[in-house]
Amino acid sequence: EPEVTQTPSHQVTQMGQEVILRCVPISNHLYFYWYRQILGQKVEFLVSFYNNEISEKSEIFDDQFSVERPDGSNFTLKIRSTKLEDSAMYFCASRLAGATGELFFGEGSRLTVL
Amino acid sequence: GENVEQHPSTLSVQEGDSAVIKCTYSDSASNYFPWYKQELGKGPQLIIDIRSNVGEKKDQRIAVTLNKTAKHFSLHITETQPEDSAVYFCAALSYQKVTFGIGTKLQVIP
Repeated sequence: EPEVTQTPSHQVTQMGQEVILRCVPISNHLYFYWYRQILGQKVEFLVSFYNNEISEKSEIFDDQFSVERPDGSNFTLKIRSTKLEDSAMYFCASRLAGATGELFFGEGSRLTVL
Repeated sequence: GENVEQHPSTLSVQEGDSAVIKCTYSDSASNYFPWYKQELGKGPQLIIDIRSNVGEKKDQRIAVTLNKTAKHFSLHITETQPEDSAVYFCAALSYQKVTFGIGTKLQVIP
């Protein structure tokens, strides 16, 4: 069964450092997402990406965040200068197309900022 | 934007009993309502979904109902088992964006 894969599974970084989280969405999917989940809290939308551009972003997704689809298979989330409050699980998701396509999630990347 | 409210935040049931989780949404343009189960340390896994042209859907022990007029939808789990213990999230899709509820931690007591 096709799946969304994410790397790394866990990253520890110092405050102020840049972090790149990587995702390989399901191959024929067209919409890509990043969500964040702070420990014990809800899954929060960060950004959606379609047709090689951001289609929507939340207020969390400020200038410190960026996304990229560099090579047609990977989908990356970059945090330019990490803050303590960026510590969370980051989930990548993808879906095929259409108004009601199922959203598939990866297993997540746990980011710990010290 | 869409706002999804979910309750209860925690729910304990005896094994074999039923569990019901309720959600409301605000955006009348939302037309797809998935439910996710999240086990500790894992990503959300879709367990059932319902589209806006359907009022009820059932898959074995799991059922979901949707009332578009009232903008609420519910998850029903019957004959609960210990392996049903997890956090359950409702969600709503509006304009390509999926918004999640806060989650319900379900504990099934053997």
